[in-house]
Amino acid sequence: DTGVSQDPRHKITKRGQNVTFRCDPISEHNRLYWYRQTLGQGPEFLTYFQNEAQLEKSRLLSDRFSAERPKGSFSTLEIQRTEQGDSAMYLCASSTAWTSGRTETQYFGPGTRLLVL
Amino acid sequence: AQTVTQSQPEMSVQEAETVTLSCTYDTSESNYYLFWYKQPPSRQMILVIRQEAYKQQNATENRFSVNFQKAAKSFSLKISDSQLGDTAMYFCAFMKQGSNAGNMLTFGGGTRLMVKP
Repeated sequence: DTGVSQDPRHKITKRGQNVTFRCDPISEHNRLYWYRQTLGQGPEFLTYFQNEAQLEKSRLLSDRFSAERPKGSFSTLEIQRTEQGDSAMYLCASSTAWTSGRTETQYFGPGTRLLVL
Repeated sequence: AQTVTQSQPEMSVQEAETVTLSCTYDTSESNYYLFWYKQPPSRQMILVIRQEAYKQQNATENRFSVNFQKAAKSFSLKISDSQLGDTAMYFCAFMKQGSNAGNMLTFGGGTRLMVKP
């Protein structure tokens, strides 16, 4: 079990540029979540995948944001035409689906810190 | 929609002493889970302890225990014998119990805990 990994760990970009982040979940975890965390706040849910299907998206996820999880393995989160308000930590978490008697527990990656200048 | 409130933005405790972090939540769900996550400075979020709402017995994990009061919608974390490594942001989180649906976490705003030598 190598844990959830995210790449890059830090990204600095200029306003208007596109950025893409990658998340590799724990192997055998079929659920993958993206959250956004601004400084001093708790994480907020962005979107969720079960296998390759994107099943839920938050209202926080504007049209400039898109996420994919091809083949149900790693996931990418792309932000187009970045704005200064997009500056935040983007967290990925993975878990296995809830089954009777088991608590679904999400395990987090180290996050990608984005700074938009 | 669920809300999670942590009313103590910052707390401090002397090494080896006991500290309690507060969390209240609001939900109309009857089946759910509650979690405490720890986020050390510049490090990734890790699970501290979890509680199933249907269990009356409070969860414990070594030096960490919770006081779960379902009727009051309260879920406090007690850290005994505090250690310097406990210094971190602590987040309380809520998750609906589900089967096929994804289960996003709803986080509180966090409590910054400083353990002093």
